[in-house]
Parts: sequence; C-alpha cells; structure tokens
Amino acid sequence: DAGVIQSPRHEVTEMGQEVTLRCKPISGHDYLFWYRQTMMRGLELLIYFNNNVPIDDSGMPEDRFSAKMPNASFSTLKIQPSEPRDSAVYFCASSLEGDEQFFGPGTRLTVL
Amino acid sequence: DAKTTQPNSMESNEEEPVHLPCNHSTISGTDYIHWYRQLPSQGPEYVIHGLTSNVNNRMASLAIAEDRKSSTLILHRATLRDAAVYYCILGSNFGNEKLTFGTGTRLTIIP
Repeated sequence: DAGVIQSPRHEVTEMGQEVTLRCKPISGHDYLFWYRQTMMRGLELLIYFNNNVPIDDSGMPEDRFSAKMPNASFSTLKIQPSEPRDSAVYFCASSLEGDEQFFGPGTRLTVL
Repeated sequence: DAKTTQPNSMESNEEEPVHLPCNHSTISGTDYIHWYRQLPSQGPEYVIHGLTSNVNNRMASLAIAEDRKSSTLILHRATLRDAAVYYCILGSNFGNEKLTFGTGTRLTIIP
C-alpha cells in the first residue's frame, strides 16, 4: 500500500481565498483524522471520522473550517475564507479499528 | 485529561542505548501509554504502546513503572535515523480517540 496520500504537498494562497486539502486514507482503514501543526500550538487534532461519519469536530477552530468524507477512500478539509493565521502543516492520518494511526506526509499551507 | 511531562531535548551518541523518560502521574487505570515519533519534515509515526506490562517490538522497548506514573522508551542502539521528536501520549483506548500530542522530546544523535 502507498500509505496515506495527501495533496497538494504545498499550497500558497492569498488571504480570503478558499483552500481545499485532500486525503486518501490507507485502503480498508475505518478511521480518518485531520491534524494541524504549528510552532506555537504544536500538533492538534481538528476532526476525526469513523466509517465516513464525523465523530468529534471539537478541534475545528471556527466555522471557516469544514471537513467531509464522502466515501471511504477520500476526505477533504476546506478553509473558506483563509487567513494568514491558518498557515500550518496539515496532516491526515488513518487507522484500522482503533489500531495505530498512520500519518500522511502533510500539506504545508501558507496564507499570505 | 491526564497529561504527560517529557524533557524538551536529549542527546545521545550513535550506537548507544537511549532512555527517553515520560511522567504521567495522573494516569487513570484505563489509560494506555502511546509513543509516536516525528522525523524531520515527516508526519508522526507509531513507535510502541502499552498498558501495564513492559513491551518490546522491532523499533523499541517500553518500560512501565509498577505504579504506572512514569514510563521509559528505550532505543537499544540509536542510529542517526532515530533523530526525531518523540511524543509520549495517554489514551483511553488504543488509537480510536483523540491523541493529544504534547511538545515531546527532541532527540539528537551525535555521530
């Protein structure tokens, strides 16, 4: 398996623009997690899904952030409108039946 | 939430054992102890986990104190590729809930 796949790997955008981050979990995994990492706040869980259903979104910063999982092999994290403080590395991770989490390579987002 | 305390940084010589400590004095009876590490410019990766007994796998060993208020991750023979930030995390169930990452320990390996 190729592991967790994230795209794009790097994204540079201007304040106010919509940003969509994409994640393909490991095939067969039933949990999917979105994290954000910054120097100031470290690694934070934003939201996680089980069998495509959002279970806990209490880490989502505000209404500008939304996440979807339309099927077992794809998830998106959308920021609209984006702000400079959203600049961070966003990681997607997946796991099988609550086992260890496998992380993707991350998307480095820069909002100017 | 029960929290963990780790040293900010540690250094070790290459090919020597490394002992990474973690304190978790408020751990509950159902909390598992998880260790993840994050190599430079990569996402975190699982290292090991345990509940009460010491655990071994191909990457490392986990030694858990009898009162479970502390644990130690042991890398038996450190290599340069082990240079990373190591996170000690408590969780009620293995993996299927929030992993609250702290600041971790930055391990530097000296050639």
